[in-house]
Amino acid sequence: NAGVTQTPKFQVLKTGQSMTLQCAQDMNHNSMYWYRQDPGMGLRLIYYSASEGTTDKGEVPNGYNVSRLNKREFSLRLESAAPSQTSVYFCASSYRIQRYNEQFFGPGTRLTVL
Amino acid sequence: GENVEQHPSTLSVQEGDSAVIKCTYSDSASNYFPWYKQELGKRPQLIIDIRSNVGEKKDQRIAVTLNKTAKHFSLHITETQPEDSAVYFCAASGSYSGGGADGLTFGKGTHLIIQP
Repeated sequence: NAGVTQTPKFQVLKTGQSMTLQCAQDMNHNSMYWYRQDPGMGLRLIYYSASEGTTDKGEVPNGYNVSRLNKREFSLRLESAAPSQTSVYFCASSYRIQRYNEQFFGPGTRLTVL
Repeated sequence: GENVEQHPSTLSVQEGDSAVIKCTYSDSASNYFPWYKQELGKRPQLIIDIRSNVGEKKDQRIAVTLNKTAKHFSLHITETQPEDSAVYFCAASGSYSGGGADGLTFGKGTHLIIQP
């Protein structure tokens, strides 16, 4: 099992450019998440998908959109990148049992917006 | 929404000593509290978690305690070793939309330094 995979590993964008971060999991998990990690800020939830076909906003959703393509894949899109979106982005997945949701993280995407 | 505070931000201990990291949370409905370890440039890895119906959980040198009344939980590492050096994050399950309590709210992290 590959677990949670993310592409790309690194990306540099210019302000205003768009891009999509890809995430896939092979653990048959029903829930998937996108977090961003900034120095000294911990991880903050951007969007999540409790199950295939549903998505919902987290703590910091502005400037992002998501798509739950199928049970395995959950993508994050930046329509018009801004320097404030420079961060490390982590995708995670879990098999939600009631509210006890152990989350497994992908390796991360390091994004720089110039 | 949930708010998680974590202290200290940096902790330096001698090898072999114990380390304690403390977190508080605000949402009394939160009922799942994981701890993650993150090494430089790596992904967060779950090291231990506790559910709200349990007061303490132990796994070898690592233990977590939970006080629901006071809304705080702590990570205890005994007999620290150089490989314990990392950033540790606490988290709590939280509700963002009044019903879908799926995301985790993280503390800001503790940089644990083990001095040889």
